[in-house]
Amino acid sequence: GEDVEQSLFLSVREGDSSVINCTYTDSSSTYLYWYKQEPGAGLQLLTYIFSNMDMKQDQRLTVLLNKKDKHLSLRIADTQTGDSAIYFCAPFRDAGNMLTFGGGTRLMVKP
Amino acid sequence: DTGVSQDPRHKITKRGQNVTFRCDPISEHNRLYWYRQTLGQGPEFLTYFQNEAQLEKSRLLSDRFSAERPKGSFSTLEIQRTEQGDSAMYLCASSSRGERAFFGQGTRLTVV
Repeated sequence: GEDVEQSLFLSVREGDSSVINCTYTDSSSTYLYWYKQEPGAGLQLLTYIFSNMDMKQDQRLTVLLNKKDKHLSLRIADTQTGDSAIYFCAPFRDAGNMLTFGGGTRLMVKP
Repeated sequence: DTGVSQDPRHKITKRGQNVTFRCDPISEHNRLYWYRQTLGQGPEFLTYFQNEAQLEKSRLLSDRFSAERPKGSFSTLEIQRTEQGDSAMYLCASSSRGERAFFGQGTRLTVV
């Protein structure tokens, strides 16, 4: 099955950029997603990238995909305290029709 | 459209009781997913419906778990004879194809 790995924790200062990294094993994933989860809440879809793209920019968010290394990253520019949350990387597996989630990266933004 | 709706938001039940959760997906979405999330972990896939057909089911889904989507719209997830290990957040998501799955706020189950 798919394995998705993320670092557990990231701490940045307000106004800095944050980069959250993810590695995955299933090279057949057609879409790769980033979700944000605040305490006690469901998952909010932030952005996604098609597997035939290298980069996608969406306002403060930049997603980079290295298919060869099976590495996905999410860059948040000008990080704000409201960005503090857990971020999940989730490749979509066509075989099985499911999103597979990593363990999440907790982002803490210090004022 | 208010997005994916789940009911109830919280459920406390005694061990051995049955519980049922409901999910109302985004109206035009034909795909519906159930996930389970325990504290400090990422969501784990439970099952997937395309319209009313249950097409995928995780090995995590024991015989005590059953899910239905009778008319291809809302779905229910029932857990029979609940155990303390069933305590988790149960998340529902919907999509129109494989892309852009939107999640509900989840149902938090506590088994005491």
